[in-house]
Amino acid sequence: GEDVEQSLFLSVREGDSSVINCTYTDSSSTYLYWYKQEPGAGLQLLTYIFSNMDMKQDQRLTVLLNKKDKHLSLRIADTQTGDSAIYFCAGPGYGGATNKLIFGTGTLLAVQP
Amino acid sequence: DAGVTQSPTHLIKTRGQQVTLRCSPKSGHDTVSWYQQALGQGPQFIFQYYEEEERQRGNFPDRFSGHQFPNYSSELNVNALLLGDSALYLCASSPQGAGEQYFGPGTRLTVT
Repeated sequence: GEDVEQSLFLSVREGDSSVINCTYTDSSSTYLYWYKQEPGAGLQLLTYIFSNMDMKQDQRLTVLLNKKDKHLSLRIADTQTGDSAIYFCAGPGYGGATNKLIFGTGTLLAVQP
Repeated sequence: DAGVTQSPTHLIKTRGQQVTLRCSPKSGHDTVSWYQQALGQGPQFIFQYYEEEERQRGNFPDRFSGHQFPNYSSELNVNALLLGDSALYLCASSPQGAGEQYFGPGTRLTVT
């Protein structure tokens, strides 16, 4: 079946690193995505990783993928108050179909000044 | 380069009414997907359009229908509105064959 799970809440201090975790069930997933949603806004694509990669770094963002455990994480270095938002991981639908994205419930990141 | 745009931004309807939401994809994108995001939840896939046809559909009733125009813009129609249809409706576009989808700001629908 298709399922993506995330922890609901993370609180960090400004300047610290944040790590947001996600687990997924569909082993045929090809790409996995991280999106950011600020209050009242749409979703902003932050980064994505192909399933044959273990790690991808993009400025302050690092994505780690453990295919054996079906675990995906997003690390934000030097977290700023502007990073406060809900973060969603998403993968393609059953069988790796790229047509639809399956989203987790989202992790609310609160950055304390 | 304009991103994905949606209209209207907010809408209030009464139970039983019908609503039409509109979406213009990002320049160069020919595939449009629609998602429903209830409060406190992640987005749920409604359907996707490519070449003016519905290519894939999520677990939504037939009250939800859509259309794609030759210029790739799209509409989402919901008939016989229920209170439970109150949500943020998100449109996303992508180039054909690409997995990454780019989202618009959404339309907030409130059904009273």
